[in-house]
Amino acid sequence: DSGVTQTPKHLITATGQRVTLRCSPRSGDLSVYWYQQSLDQGLQFLIQYYNGEERAKGNILERFSAQQFPDLHSELNLSSLELGDSALYFCASSVGSDYSSYEQYFGPGTRLTVT
Amino acid sequence: DAKTTQPPSMDCAEGRAANLPCNHSTISGNEYVYWYRQIHSQGPQYIIHGLKNNETNEMASLIITEDRKSSTLILPHATLRDTAVYYCIDGNAGNMLTFGGGTRLMVKP
Repeated sequence: DSGVTQTPKHLITATGQRVTLRCSPRSGDLSVYWYQQSLDQGLQFLIQYYNGEERAKGNILERFSAQQFPDLHSELNLSSLELGDSALYFCASSVGSDYSSYEQYFGPGTRLTVT
Repeated sequence: DAKTTQPPSMDCAEGRAANLPCNHSTISGNEYVYWYRQIHSQGPQYIIHGLKNNETNEMASLIITEDRKSSTLILPHATLRDTAVYYCIDGNAGNMLTFGGGTRLMVKP
């Protein structure tokens, strides 16, 4: 158990819909990262937040957005869903955003299926 | 795109050492080498990291060549539970991880 929690574990929804994935980082961790893992693209970095502020952006579509709240939990919002958005979405956390953070701890993931 | 290259798959006999190679020829001076593994759709798990020196922890050993262009992860006594995809990543602490294809290690009885 990494200490990172993600809800829900599974999500099935239809094209065009909007969903919200939730992540609670390990106690004391200030950085949250979101990754997407699909069969054809592998593990891809989406976005990073540090203490409530966006720190880095990767291959995140405009239909996707995220935020980190004052209690440090984070939400990833996916809208206008397409079949190709079906994937495993992982959240990870680390202590900070500098050399204090060699390790990222990953949650169990949310499996999203768009039908 | 990932900056490291790894063999796509390897086999290892249970109880033997598993040696997983990685090339990171474009690594810069302040970038670390990280190893993570992913067991069948679970979240990736941190294994070890290093800068220049060889490193060892309870899970594995990391051998980095003197020119830092390649490294080897060593699992000293592989078990069936070590069957996973192993990712070698170079980068800076606190930053995003760029995953490549990794090496699928199959530990066989």
